Amino acid sequence: KQEVTQIPAALSVPEGENLVLNCSFTDSAIYNLQWFRQDPGKGLTSLLLIQSSQREQTSGRLNASLDKSSGRSTLYIAASQPGDSATYLCSISSGSARQLTFGSGTQLTVLP
Amino acid sequence: GAVVSQHPSRVICKSGTSVKIECRSLDFQATTMFWYRQFPKQSLMLMATSNEGSKATYEQGVEKDKFLINHASLTLSTLTVTSAHPEDSSFYICSPRGVEKLFFGSGTQLSVL
Repeated sequence: KQEVTQIPAALSVPEGENLVLNCSFTDSAIYNLQWFRQDPGKGLTSLLLIQSSQREQTSGRLNASLDKSSGRSTLYIAASQPGDSATYLCSISSGSARQLTFGSGTQLTVLP
Repeated sequence: GAVVSQHPSRVICKSGTSVKIECRSLDFQATTMFWYRQFPKQSLMLMATSNEGSKATYEQGVEKDKFLINHASLTLSTLTVTSAHPEDSSFYICSPRGVEKLFFGSGTQLSVL
C-alpha cells in the first residue's frame, strides 16, 4: 500500500525566501506525482504534475523534482510571497485505478 | 472556467439526517469518480472509487451503507451521508477522471450538530 509522507508539517518563512518542501513515498511503481495547493476550506489547485518518466517540472517560481529510485520529491518555491501561504499537498498516482494517495501536507506561512 | 461543479459547498445538519452531495463534470465525461474525505489539518483520504454504471469500491474502514455513492451517468455522481453523526463532520471532495486527466471539485464542508 502506497504511503506518502511530507516534511515539514508546517513552515513559516519571511517574504522573499526560497524554500523547499519534501515528499517521500514508499512504492516506486507510480504513474505520476502531483503537487497541489489548498487554501483553508477550499478545494485543490494543481501546481505541477510530474509523470513517472520525468525528473522535474517547472512553472514560474515553482520547481518540482522526482526521484523514483529514492521515493522522493521536492517542491522548490523561489522568492516566496505572502500569497503563497497555503497548505501544499503531494500526491502519488498508483494502483490499478490510478487513485491518488495524498501526503498530510505542509502548511506554509509567508510573513510579509 | 470550472470544469467540475460540486455542491453544496457547505451544509450544516442535525444528527440523524441524511445529506446528499453532488458532483458534476461540466464539459467532459467522467468514467471514474473518486470521493475523498479530509478531517481538519489532515490529508485527503480516499473513501471510494466508482465507475459509471457499477457499484462503488470502498476503502477499508469506510461503511458502504453509510456513504452511498451513485454514479449513474458519466457527468454526475452523488455521495449521500446517511444518518449523519457529528463524527461524520468533514470536508468531502469529489474527483472525476476524464481522459488522462484528473479533476477536483471545490469540496463540501459538512458539519453535523
